[in-house]
Amino acid sequence: ETAVFQTPNYHVTQVGNEVSFNCKQTLGHDTMYWYKQDSKKLLKIMFSYNNKQLIVNETVPRRFSPQSSDKAHLNLRIKSVEPEDSAVYLCASSTWGGQDTQYFGPGTRLLVL
Amino acid sequence: GDSVTQTEGQVTVSESKSLIINCTYSATSIGYPNLFWYVRYPGEGLQLLLKVITAGQKGSSRGFEATYNKEATSFHLQKASVQESDSAVYYCALSECNMGYKLTFGTGTSLLVDP
Repeated sequence: ETAVFQTPNYHVTQVGNEVSFNCKQTLGHDTMYWYKQDSKKLLKIMFSYNNKQLIVNETVPRRFSPQSSDKAHLNLRIKSVEPEDSAVYLCASSTWGGQDTQYFGPGTRLLVL
Repeated sequence: GDSVTQTEGQVTVSESKSLIINCTYSATSIGYPNLFWYVRYPGEGLQLLLKVITAGQKGSSRGFEATYNKEATSFHLQKASVQESDSAVYYCALSECNMGYKLTFGTGTSLLVDP
């Protein structure tokens, strides 16, 4: 049963364009995350938000910006995409606390031509 | 920073044979990290397989087990008898409170079970 929803599933764009990905969770969690899975399948954290507050901001290029309207939504905007941004972007949510399970969405696959 | 190492990128095992997928970790905090195994079955999203938050404890799920060994900084995943339906990609991960509870993942191990 899907409880973390991501749109779109797949997006193809040209270098220099702006893209936005949406993530919504219906689990009542207060913490959300964005991870990037690159072509080598390596999964790395990009951002995390707790109650709409930015908690983790890894070293990602400034063209990436997360946007949280409420604790159930965490979107990701990429201004002026680069070829190396081609990846799968995974959204996750959890309650606050390291022992709690993070629930993942199905991912958004981005291809930059 | 934190790191998780999985030495096997791909493993092939015959059905009903035993399995071990190695995982070692390095954590920055003075305390002990929380340890997880996540799994991605073909066509499905990433999901939790098992977790252990206390050093020395063992977690289990779907016939898989992993023991939190703080001396060896290891969290190997084992199963006594694999089934074809266990074919998936397995990720070892850790989280720490002083790192915002983000998950640090290993590179993943792709398991193929031969029928």
